[in-house]
Amino acid sequence: KQEVTQIPAALSVPEGENLVLNCSFTDSAIYNLQWFRQDPGKGLTSLLLIQSSQREQTSGRLNASLDKSSGRSTLYIAASQPGDSATYLCAVSGGTDSNYQLIWGAGTKLIIKP
Amino acid sequence: GAGVSQSPSNKVTEKGKDVELRCDPISGHTALYWYRQSLGQGLEFLIYFQGNSAPDKSGLPSDRFSAERTGGSVSTLTIQRTQQEDSAVYLCASSPKGGWRSPLHFGNGTRLTVT
Repeated sequence: KQEVTQIPAALSVPEGENLVLNCSFTDSAIYNLQWFRQDPGKGLTSLLLIQSSQREQTSGRLNASLDKSSGRSTLYIAASQPGDSATYLCAVSGGTDSNYQLIWGAGTKLIIKP
Repeated sequence: GAGVSQSPSNKVTEKGKDVELRCDPISGHTALYWYRQSLGQGLEFLIYFQGNSAPDKSGLPSDRFSAERTGGSVSTLTIQRTQQEDSAVYLCASSPKGGWRSPLHFGNGTRLTVT
């Protein structure tokens, strides 16, 4: 059964720092991995989607990498800003469980201090 | 354009009462998902609707939970005889096609509190 873990559960850094959020999964037979952002009281916003054949995806100051063989993904945020404060969740799809269900990590709560 | 709309945004109910949560997906999206998010937990899959196919109900935690989708559009999640452990944020998402290639669009969720 696929399990997704995100470490750390919470992270607080000063504005301007570069930072890395981690996501690991137990079953490497995934179709893709997605990173989402959730603001308090809001739904989730998709940030980046990496297909299983890809190694990384970039969008603005965000870069997500995927290493299927080791079951790991990282989300790199460059030059962090207070507006980046949110909870970041990763989710994997596919594998032996289902071809449409997403399996989710519990998230990393990020606080960027001005 | 309009996104996924969920109502109510907050619901407080007494233990034992029934509740209905509503989701209006993006027009034209054939796939609709319900997830539950408890404090400090990842999202828990509840149910998946895809077009006219029979829904995947494998994530529903008990027979007190049911969901329907009328006319391939609006969906209602019903929880009967609510329990305190049902307290969570219930999120609805829709996607154009379903399956693992299709991006999900989430509503803002309904925060359910059972007292």
